[in-house]
Amino acid sequence: GENVEQHPSTLSVQEGDSAVIKCTYSDSASNYFPWYKQELGKRPQLIIDIRSNVGEKKDQRIAVTLNKTAKHFSLHITETQPEDSAVYFCAAGKRVNNNDMRFGAGTRLTVKP
Amino acid sequence: GAVVSQHPSWVICKSGTSVKIECRSLDFQATTMFWYRQFPKQSLMLMATSNEGSKATYEQGVEKDKFLINHASLTLSTLTVTSAHPEDSSFYICSASWSGHEQFFGPGTRLTVL
Repeated sequence: GENVEQHPSTLSVQEGDSAVIKCTYSDSASNYFPWYKQELGKRPQLIIDIRSNVGEKKDQRIAVTLNKTAKHFSLHITETQPEDSAVYFCAAGKRVNNNDMRFGAGTRLTVKP
Repeated sequence: GAVVSQHPSWVICKSGTSVKIECRSLDFQATTMFWYRQFPKQSLMLMATSNEGSKATYEQGVEKDKFLINHASLTLSTLTVTSAHPEDSSFYICSASWSGHEQFFGPGTRLTVL
């Protein structure tokens, strides 16, 4: 089955700086890579996702890149703000049925004002 | 986006009792629901996947007789923790999806077993 590794486990940046979180996956058949943000005491919320037919996707200050050959994908947050502070989870799986979606261990991002 | 609810949001029970947690998709029909367990400051660990009208598929290491999952309709799945013990104390989160779409998470249920 799929195995996802995520780094770093904690990340602290100054407001306005960029933050990068990296994930690797093991199953070359995985074709869907979502990123979730979980604020303290709240449910995970999808913030961006990418499918295997594209290498990069951007949504305002958030971007995700995918390297299928190397089996890794990254989340980039630019111009970070204190409200970006949360735990971010990457995941990998097959879009069609989600049954084999696996999550990374999470990255606790702290943005210092 | 789609809305998923969970009930109760928190529960405290005595060791040896059973606890039922409900997961509902409020504005869509969920062909698949997932149950996760999350320990403090840790990731989401998939416990089982359930498809409406069929038996749940449990992940390795998850006791199916202890964590009973029922997905009787396209909008409701239940997780029953049977004969709960303190080590079962955790945050349980469900998610729901339909074919080809993302998972939408519920708000979670915090279970404390005394």
